[in-house]
Amino acid sequence: EPEVTQTPSHQVTQMGQEVILRCVPISNHLYFYWYRQILGQKVEFLVSFYNNEISEKSEIFDDQFSVERPDGSNFTLKIRSTKLEDSAMYFCASSLQGLKNTGELFFGEGSRLTVL
Amino acid sequence: KNQVEQSPQSLIILEGKNCTLQCNYTVSPFSNLRWYKQDTGRGPVSLTIMTFSENTKSNGRYTATLDADTKQSSLHITASQLSDSASYICVVSAKGSQGNLIFGKGTKLSVKP
Repeated sequence: EPEVTQTPSHQVTQMGQEVILRCVPISNHLYFYWYRQILGQKVEFLVSFYNNEISEKSEIFDDQFSVERPDGSNFTLKIRSTKLEDSAMYFCASSLQGLKNTGELFFGEGSRLTVL
Repeated sequence: KNQVEQSPQSLIILEGKNCTLQCNYTVSPFSNLRWYKQDTGRGPVSLTIMTFSENTKSNGRYTATLDADTKQSSLHITASQLSDSASYICVVSAKGSQGNLIFGKGTKLSVKP
């Protein structure tokens, strides 16, 4: 069964360092998302991406964050200068249809980021 | 403010028993409501998606209900199994949203033998 894959599964970094989290969405999906979950808290929306551009972003997704689809398969989330409060599990998701059409989201297993 | 509240926070039941989890939301304008199952340390997995016009939807032993008038949903699990132990998250999408799903904190279900 096709699945969303994420790498790395766990990354430890020093405050102020740049981090890139990678995702390979399901191959025929058109919509891509990043969410994060701070330990013990709710999952929060970061950004959605369609047709090679950001379609929606949250207040969390400030200038320190960026997303890119550098080729036909990868979808990356970059954090330019990490802060302690960026420590969280980051989930990538993809869907064939958009949320307006009740598109079903498929989530990856997550990348745990620990900022020291 | 758009919010999703779930109850109970946690629940312990014996294998084979049924249970019902609750979700209340204040998201407006409403588009659809989703229930996800999340195993510890894993990504959420979709169980059901319901729109305004749907009152009930089943997926195997999982049955979700939606009352859009009272802004309430429930997830009923029948004949629970040990593998049902997980967090169950209620998620609501507002009209026009292109990714900004509003997540509840989840109900942590433990099924004991």
